[in-house]
Amino acid sequence: GAGVSQTPSNKVTEKGKYVELRCDPISGHTALYWYRQSLGQGPEFLIYFQGTGAADDSGLPNDRFFAVRPEGSVSTLKIQRTERGDSAVYLCASSPTAGRFGYTFGSGTRLTVV
Amino acid sequence: DAKTTQPTSMDCAEGRAANLPCNHSTISGNEYVYWYRQIHSQGPQYIIHGLKNNETNEMASLIITEDRKSSTLILPHATLRDTAVYYCIIGANNLFFGTGTRLTVIP
Repeated sequence: GAGVSQTPSNKVTEKGKYVELRCDPISGHTALYWYRQSLGQGPEFLIYFQGTGAADDSGLPNDRFFAVRPEGSVSTLKIQRTERGDSAVYLCASSPTAGRFGYTFGSGTRLTVV
Repeated sequence: DAKTTQPTSMDCAEGRAANLPCNHSTISGNEYVYWYRQIHSQGPQYIIHGLKNNETNEMASLIITEDRKSSTLILPHATLRDTAVYYCIIGANNLFFGTGTRLTVIP
């Protein structure tokens, strides 16, 4: 597609539930990044993929968070046993490859845990 | 793990040049300087990046000091639509955002 697509744009879930957030990167981009952004803060790095493998997952806050990219294109961020503190905008970005290229960001998924 | 220092906020008169400074004294040899901006409720937008030479594109110019410890983003003729949070980031394979500079362009 022309840009990075994230679905859903908004998600409200109850505390303790499981959620999946999807990211469709720009076609041909091998690097894919997940960030989350809380109100008034800059985006916080979570994980990035180069191809199918997670090249750096050091930003995932705990083991309730997991991300996959099985075919090297679409990625899914999975959050188990959601907590109210997980409420944020989750941003996805892609670039032709990791390093020395600018990223193109999607519009994000606003997750609200009630 | 932001490794840059930026002013919290700046104002600029419409039509004038906006000069946004950034200090990155711990930059290492393989790290680029990137600039992004974020308009309310949207994802960050890539502006420009550079390694050690000054760069210019249709949006802005990036001036990097010779020692690479600081840089300045220049928007040559600021418009009201340039009001946004501007992030200066240094990185190689992945980027860590700080809290940025909130630029307000005043009519």
